Amino acid sequence: RKEVEQDPGPFNVPEGATVAFNCTYSNSASQSFFWYRQDCRKEPKLLMSVYSSGNEDGRFTAQLNRASQYISLLIRDSKLSDSATYLCVSFGATNKLIFGTGTLLAVQP
Amino acid sequence: DTAVSQTPKYLVTQMGNDKSIKCEQNLGHDTMYWYKQDSKKFLKIMFSYNNKELIINETVPNRFSPKSPDKAHLNLHINSLELGDSAVYFCASSQMTGGNGYTFGSGTRLTVV
Repeated sequence: RKEVEQDPGPFNVPEGATVAFNCTYSNSASQSFFWYRQDCRKEPKLLMSVYSSGNEDGRFTAQLNRASQYISLLIRDSKLSDSATYLCVSFGATNKLIFGTGTLLAVQP
Repeated sequence: DTAVSQTPKYLVTQMGNDKSIKCEQNLGHDTMYWYKQDSKKFLKIMFSYNNKELIINETVPNRFSPKSPDKAHLNLHINSLELGDSAVYFCASSQMTGGNGYTFGSGTRLTVV
């Protein structure tokens, strides 16, 4: 079982839709969490950190539930430019970023 | 000015060859990493160096040998390349070993034929 699990998708949504991605992690010692975005044939880039209190950055909202070991990302008013793979990432006692396999989002015109 | 730069961007080589990938960062970070992304797009850490010292060495064949001449450079040498080594290799850097602010290079697409 992978340490960080995500639904690989693809999620095909129309422009303007709201879409939610979920992720679970198995290591309760994980300390911090992130969402990265990876465009096709490009490097991963940090989208946002994830906090237990929930945090928002424009159209993006991330949430962490430590009790359930569950992380979410909500994208409102999807744009064509949001099409990418979204990677759920944990960081913990092993001092390394652990990546999920990613969820592919395709926003359709 | 590129923050984390890797060379080459593409590498096609025959089985059995030895090749190197170079990485340099100009962010002043003290920790650098090599990640491998396989055909299923799964990103997995291979090595990490902090101030030229190896701190993470995952279960990687010893044909892979990282070298860090200084904290701004981390190179990866691969001996006796195999078909299964075909992947995209990403270099990354961060300040200290914290989870925040990893900056990735644009990747080296290695194809072994």
